[in-house]
Parts: sequence; C-alpha cells; structure tokens
Amino acid sequence: DARVTQTPRHKVTEMGQEVTMRCQPILGHNTVFWYRQTMMQGLELLAYFRNRAPLDDSGMPKDRFSAEMPDATLATLKIQPSEPRDSAVYFCASGLVLSAPSSYEQYFGPGTRLTVT
Amino acid sequence: GESVGLHLPTLSVQEGDNSIINCAYSNSASDYFIWYKQESGKGPQFIIDIRSNMDKRQGQRVTVLLNKTVKHLSLQIAATQPGDSAVYFCAETPRQAGTALIFGKGTTLSVSS
Repeated sequence: DARVTQTPRHKVTEMGQEVTMRCQPILGHNTVFWYRQTMMQGLELLAYFRNRAPLDDSGMPKDRFSAEMPDATLATLKIQPSEPRDSAVYFCASGLVLSAPSSYEQYFGPGTRLTVT
Repeated sequence: GESVGLHLPTLSVQEGDNSIINCAYSNSASDYFIWYKQESGKGPQFIIDIRSNMDKRQGQRVTVLLNKTVKHLSLQIAATQPGDSAVYFCAETPRQAGTALIFGKGTTLSVSS
C-alpha cells in the first residue's frame, strides 16, 4: 500500500556536521510537510510545500535549516551546521489538497531519529 | 470505563473498558480536527477526523466529540484492547485546506490485560 518513506531512519552525527534527511511522499500527493518531535515541544511544524513550492517555513531556523523539493517525488531537509539541540525525530507527511472539496488528511512517514553529539 | 475531565498525560485502563481521551484546542477559527495514534518508533497514524460543522462522528470502535463552545475535543475508544496502547494526539487546522496541523499534547494510553 502507498506510504511515505523517509531516509535515513536513524542518524548520529557530531556537532557542526551537515545532515540531510530525505522524504518520498505518496505518489500523487501535492503537499509535503516537515515536522519535528521532541519530548519538550511535542510535534512542531517546520515547513510545508504545495506543488513543490514552499508555502510556510516560519517554524524553521533559517540560519541552519533548509528545505527543498527537487522534484515531486523527493523532499529534503538539511541542517548545516548541526547542533545538539537539533536532536529530535523529524517526520515528513504528505497529503492531497484539491481546490474543492479538500482533504485535510496527512500521512506520516516513519521519521528520522537524529542525534547530534 | 474511565474518563478524563482535563488533559492528562497518561491514562491506564483495563482491556475491555471504554477509554475517553480529552483535548482542549486553542483556535476558535479551527475548522478541522483529527485524532492521531502514535505507536513507539512510528509516525502518527490517522484515526478519525471531524469538521467544525459537526459535533459527533463515529468510526469503528472510536467516536470523536466536538464541543466548540468550550473548545473541547474527545476521543472515545470502545472495548479498549492491548493493541490500542499508544500515544494519542489531537490536531487542529484552520479553515484553509491543506495547512499544517497544530498538535496538542499527547496522552499515553496503557491497556492492561
């Protein structure tokens, strides 16, 4: 069955290193979201795209984070340089939004668990 | 069954009991609400949703109730099973379709046999 895939599932890196997380949304979905989950903050939106165009990245630290969609089948989230406070689980979600009627349902990937030492 | 008046981070029930998980949402302009279930090591999984023009919706073993007057959402799980053990999140989204979800604090449901 169709599902969102994310790679890598786990990443351990040292402070200062670049980290790239990848997401393959469900084929045909036109909206992709990046969320971050920590014990303290819960699930927070970082950025989202519609038809590969960024619509909102206000939740993302601009100085070190960047999100892109090189094509409709790939979304990337990059952190450069990484810091220990970036340690979290990063989720990608996708959905199909039409002009009307619209579905709000988002399908989540399994997440990338990032540890920055 | 066991009910929770306000949001509590954990809820423990016996197998076969009914569970009620509560959530207070923040934005009176929110149009759409979803309950997600998150099992350990996995991403959130859709359970049930409700639009703001409804006050109740039923699924298989689950019911969502929406009280817009007090901005309160609840998830009822009938005949709770061990497989229902997970963290449950409510989420809201404003009227514009396809905008990001705002998640509430989760409730960890533990079901004992």
